[in-house]
This record gives sequence, structure tokens and C-alpha cells, in this order.
Amino acid sequence: AQKVTQAQTEISVVEKEDVTLDCVYETRDTTYYLFWYKQPPSGELVFLIRRNSFDEQNEISGRYSWNFQKSTSSFNFTITASQVVDSAVYFCALSEDGANSKLTFGKGITLSVRP
Amino acid sequence: DAGVTQSPTHLIKTRGQQVTLRCSPKSGHDTVSWYQQALGQGPQFIFQYYEEEERQRGNFPDRFSGHQFPNYSSELNVNALLLGDSALYLCASSLFWGKLLTQYFGPGTRLLVL
Repeated sequence: AQKVTQAQTEISVVEKEDVTLDCVYETRDTTYYLFWYKQPPSGELVFLIRRNSFDEQNEISGRYSWNFQKSTSSFNFTITASQVVDSAVYFCALSEDGANSKLTFGKGITLSVRP
Repeated sequence: DAGVTQSPTHLIKTRGQQVTLRCSPKSGHDTVSWYQQALGQGPQFIFQYYEEEERQRGNFPDRFSGHQFPNYSSELNVNALLLGDSALYLCASSLFWGKLLTQYFGPGTRLLVL
């Protein structure tokens, strides 16, 4: 069975600090897909990134970076120089049948960035 | 390019009633998935529809049912509402044969059961 664990529940930082959001996953499949979504107070889930299990390259997009490590079953998300607009709930998710199939989400991490 | 839309945005019902939520997928998408997100929790997969049939189902009782129309839009029906059904209901759309293509979410419908 697939499972996603986000052990951190709430993180509070001051603007311009770097922050890392942790995600640990469990799956028996050799092919799977990992995601990060952002959920602002409005409620809509905003897609941030997808990583396929067969592509272990780490990725950087502006202030965002992701570290995928199959050896530790982790897919961590770092925000560099955080901003107030980064305040939101962040979800890590896993799919075994394709990026278009059932997603299993973690419980989410509430990030508060103070000015 | 229209994104995923859902209606209504908010809904208040009483226990025992029935509710229907609606979703229109992103333009070009043919598959709709529904998720329930209780307060303070991550979304939970309810089911997925493609070609007007339920293709995958999560661990939800039969009170939760769905339908997909020929234009790919979808409805989620919940019968005999319980207080615990109060949640944000999210719809996501995707391409069924697009294994590497990400699904996108709508703004959700907030259901409150009194």
C-alpha cells in the first residue's frame, strides 16, 4: 500500500529565511510519481512539481528546489529566501499508476512566513 | 484555456439529506477524479471517472456515487449525509492515457452538514 508521511505539521519562519519541507513515502512499485502541491487559504491545490521514480535528477525553479532520494524514500522541498506569499499548506503526494491516477497525499505542512 | 471549474462553491445541508456537486474538467481533459479533504487533513481519493465509467475507487461507502457525462463533466452525489461528510470536495481532471501528464485541481466545493 502506498503511504506519504509529512512529519512536520507547522513551520514558522521569518521572511528571507530558507525552509525545508520533508516528505517520506512508501510504495512497493518500482515506477511511481511524486508531487508537491501548494494550498493557499482559498483552498485550490496548485501544482508545483512532479518527479518520476526513474528520474532522480534534482530540480531547481527560482527560489524552489527539490531533493529526491530513492535510497531514503524522501522527496524534500526547499524554499530559499522565503516570502510572505509562500505562506500556505504544502502537500506531498504519491501515485503508483501514473501521474494521472489516484493520488495519496500526506497530511500537509502549514508554512507561515512572518514579515 | 479554461481550468477546472466546480459548483457550487459553498453548500449547507442537514443530516440525512442528499447533495450533488459538479465539476467541469480542464479543456482537453477526459478524466475526472474526486477527493474529499476534511479540515486539517490531506485530500482523500474518492473515485475516478473515464468514458462515463468508474475506473478507480478509494475507501468510501456506497453513499458516495458519481456520474460522468459525454462532455466529460462529472457529478459527485452523496446520500444520507452525515456530520462527518463536512469537508472540501476537490475535483481534478487529467488525460486517461497521459500517464506522464499531471492532473489539475479545481477550487473545490465546501460542504457543511448540520
